[in-house]
Amino acid sequence: GAVVSQHPSWVICKSGTSVKIECRSLDFQATTMFWYRQFPKQSLMLMATSNEGSKATYEQGVEKDKFLINHASLTLSTLTVTSAHPEDSSFYICSARVGQFGYTFGSGTRLTVV
Amino acid sequence: DAKTTQPPSMDCAEGRAANLPCNHSTISGNEYVYWYRQIHSQGPQYIIHGLKNNETNEMASLIITEDRKSSTLILPHATLRDTAVYYCIVRPHNFNKFYFGSGTKLNVKP
Repeated sequence: GAVVSQHPSWVICKSGTSVKIECRSLDFQATTMFWYRQFPKQSLMLMATSNEGSKATYEQGVEKDKFLINHASLTLSTLTVTSAHPEDSSFYICSARVGQFGYTFGSGTRLTVV
Repeated sequence: DAKTTQPPSMDCAEGRAANLPCNHSTISGNEYVYWYRQIHSQGPQYIIHGLKNNETNEMASLIITEDRKSSTLILPHATLRDTAVYYCIVRPHNFNKFYFGSGTKLNVKP
């Protein structure tokens, strides 16, 4: 089946630095990918929709200058958390639409900002 | 998207059927019912989806009421590995985004 590979699976960074998370579709082309954030004991919150070759669209309340999304190819989308702070510590998950009905999700990235 | 309501948690004995309810009383005619689950610290996993007919696959069965205002996901023989948060999502099939509600934490106990 369609697989989305997400890296890294976990990362620890210092406050004020930037972190890049990659999301790759391994055996299919994904013109659209989605980025979610999940805090402990909470549900997934959609952050943005990543469109290949065009600007991402962000959900209300998500800072586009802080969470930079690049979707330069049909198999790769990246999320960069800029100037990370401890409150950005979270579980970040990407997903891609597969076919008419399916969505496949990456395994997630645990970000800890110290 | 139509709003869904699920119980926050449920317990199930290992080997027994787990029946997870979902209320979606404001569902529209073109909206599908999807079920995903999330095992701790992993990405969500697709389980099943349906429009109006009951559906079954190797993982589960989906029972949708005739008025489509509610549905039930059935795991016929729950195992400890089925312990997860189960999300019921309602959306049109041609709508791009996927919004998650609060889900049901299913605890399968030995």
